[in-house]
Amino acid sequence: AQKVTQAQTEISVVEKEDVTLDCVYETRDTTYYLFWYKQPPSGELVFLIRRNSFDEQNEISGRYSWNFQKSTSSFNFTITASQVVDSAVYFCALRMDSSYKLIFGSGTRLLVRP
Amino acid sequence: EAGVTQFPSHSVIEKGQTVTLRCDPISGHDNLYWYRRVMGKEIKFLLHFVKESKQDESGMPNNRFLAERTGGTYSTLKVQPAELEDSGVYFCASSLTEMSEQYFGPGTRLTVT
Repeated sequence: AQKVTQAQTEISVVEKEDVTLDCVYETRDTTYYLFWYKQPPSGELVFLIRRNSFDEQNEISGRYSWNFQKSTSSFNFTITASQVVDSAVYFCALRMDSSYKLIFGSGTRLLVRP
Repeated sequence: EAGVTQFPSHSVIEKGQTVTLRCDPISGHDNLYWYRRVMGKEIKFLLHFVKESKQDESGMPNNRFLAERTGGTYSTLKVQPAELEDSGVYFCASSLTEMSEQYFGPGTRLTVT
């Protein structure tokens, strides 16, 4: 069975701190995709990144970076120098190559305090 | 280009009443999905349309839920009669193809009292 676990329910940091959101996934498939979505207070789910299972290179986009490690089945998300606008709920998701269904974790609420 | 829109943004109804949620996908997106997040848990898949056809409704919780997509444009999700456990946030998403990126709407927060 496929599953995504986000063990951190809520994280609170002070602005400018670095913060890492953990994501651990389970699947027996060899081809799959991993995603991160951001849900700001306005409610919509905003797509942040997609990685496929054959690409373990870490990705950096501005203050955001992602660390994909197949050996530990993890796809962690780091925000460097956090800002108040980063406050949101962040969801990690998994999709099999053969399916369109996104399998989400339960989300991590990040609060960045000024 | 307009994104996925959902209406209403929030609905409060009493147990036993009926509620209809609406989703307008991105123009040209044949694929439309409904997901639900209940009680702060994970977001779960409900069903998938390709144009007006239901391709997969394996995630629908029970027969109190009815989804339609007449004409292959907007979709509605009706809950009748609503129960307390139906409270949650209902998300709609659309994509160009089955395997392309899914773009989500802002969700409808349903509260059943």
